[in-house]
Amino acid sequence: GAVVSQHPSWVICKSGTSVKIECRSLDFQATTMFWYRQFPKQSLMLMATSNEGSKATYEQGVEKDKFLINHASLTLSTLTVTSAHPEDSSFYICSATNNGPTEAFFGQGTRLTVV
Amino acid sequence: AQKITQTQPGMFVQEKEAVTLDCTYDTSDQSYGLFWYKQPSSGEMIFLIYQGSYDEQNATEGRYSLNFQKARKSANLVISASQLGDSAMYFCAMREGIQGAQKLVFGQGTRLTINP
Repeated sequence: GAVVSQHPSWVICKSGTSVKIECRSLDFQATTMFWYRQFPKQSLMLMATSNEGSKATYEQGVEKDKFLINHASLTLSTLTVTSAHPEDSSFYICSATNNGPTEAFFGQGTRLTVV
Repeated sequence: AQKITQTQPGMFVQEKEAVTLDCTYDTSDQSYGLFWYKQPSSGEMIFLIYQGSYDEQNATEGRYSLNFQKARKSANLVISASQLGDSAMYFCAMREGIQGAQKLVFGQGTRLTINP
């Protein structure tokens, strides 16, 4: 099946710094990618929809200036957590589709800890 | 707005027994897709099975089957002959529309524990 690679798998950063997370579709072109956030023992919540060549669409309550999304190519979307704070510590996971109906492919996820 | 409900926070099952994980959904759309994912402690989301709203047959994938009851808006996952490696979080999800570039909405999840 199609593969989505997410990097890094975990990161620890100091409060106030920015962190970039990459999501790559390895063997297909993804015009749309999705970024989710998952707090411990909770479900995945959609943060934003990343569209290649255009601005991302953010879900209600998600700060677009805080979580910058760039989808510069058909195989790469990045999420940058700017001026990170401890409350941003979470598990971030991306998904991509090749527009087939039966599956959404997920990256391995990134565990972010802000200290 | 679409909604997914998983009412079982946790399930404990003896190895080799079958287990059913419940999922109900709510949507006003006629075209939609239903998914089940397994999330082990590593965090990755492992795709298990898919059911389209127009599919007349229940989906099956190896030991996994989806009991799709459209009138009741339920899409329960059945795992036959459970194994210790099945212990994980399980999420039901729905996508409105039948094409891929639509977001998924997830249920709260069920933590399945298989006892030896």
